[in-house]
Amino acid sequence: EVQLVESGGGLVRPGGSLRLSCANSGFTFSNYKMQWVRQAPGKGLEWVSYISPTSTTILYADSVKGRFTVSRDNAKNSLYLQMNSLRAEDTAVYYCAREDCSNTCSFDQWGQGTLVTVSS
Amino acid sequence: QSVLTQPPSASGTPGQRVTISCSGSSSNIGSHSLNWYRQVPGTAPSLLIYTNDQRPSGVPDRFSGSKSGTSASLAISGLQSEDEADYYCSAWDDYLNAWVFGGGTKLTVL
Repeated sequence: EVQLVESGGGLVRPGGSLRLSCANSGFTFSNYKMQWVRQAPGKGLEWVSYISPTSTTILYADSVKGRFTVSRDNAKNSLYLQMNSLRAEDTAVYYCAREDCSNTCSFDQWGQGTLVTVSS
Repeated sequence: QSVLTQPPSASGTPGQRVTISCSGSSSNIGSHSLNWYRQVPGTAPSLLIYTNDQRPSGVPDRFSGSKSGTSASLAISGLQSEDEADYYCSAWDDYLNAWVFGGGTKLTVL
């Protein structure tokens, strides 16, 4: 069974840092592109970041560029999101998602999400 | 403001057919395939339609997708109470070099 499990969310003050993790199982993690998507309270989905299977290609939304860093450890089947200089507008549930490109590309598996709250 | 435009709400009675539109531009829907995601409030999104009109295994054939030019539609026939959820369209955008989503459509079954 494919599973993506996020962790690391919590309450952090503006300007602070947090590191999210996404543990993956049930599939060959090293073969897949991975994504982070977030959802602010009561709002829609917002793409955050992408990382290729061997970390050679990394992309960020303009809203987080320069503050967030995505990484992965294929040996540990894990995806990470290091979030620095956090702002109130970064408050959201953060989802990791697997990108499947066997046909065209889509996010075919999602984690349950982890809540990040940025507040003083 | 979302790059892809969806109506904020849609509704129908059980058994009816409803459609949800998604409008974009040449840099996203006009150039790439369109995916739809379904999200029951309080839970994670799930893939509903991929590559414009393909259903993942387990998705009932009551759900169908289509795309024409820079617009796409999701149709749900034989509406059921469990179809109440938020629906999001998504595509890759060449200009932004990013995945973009619609603002979401809240479907209510009356």
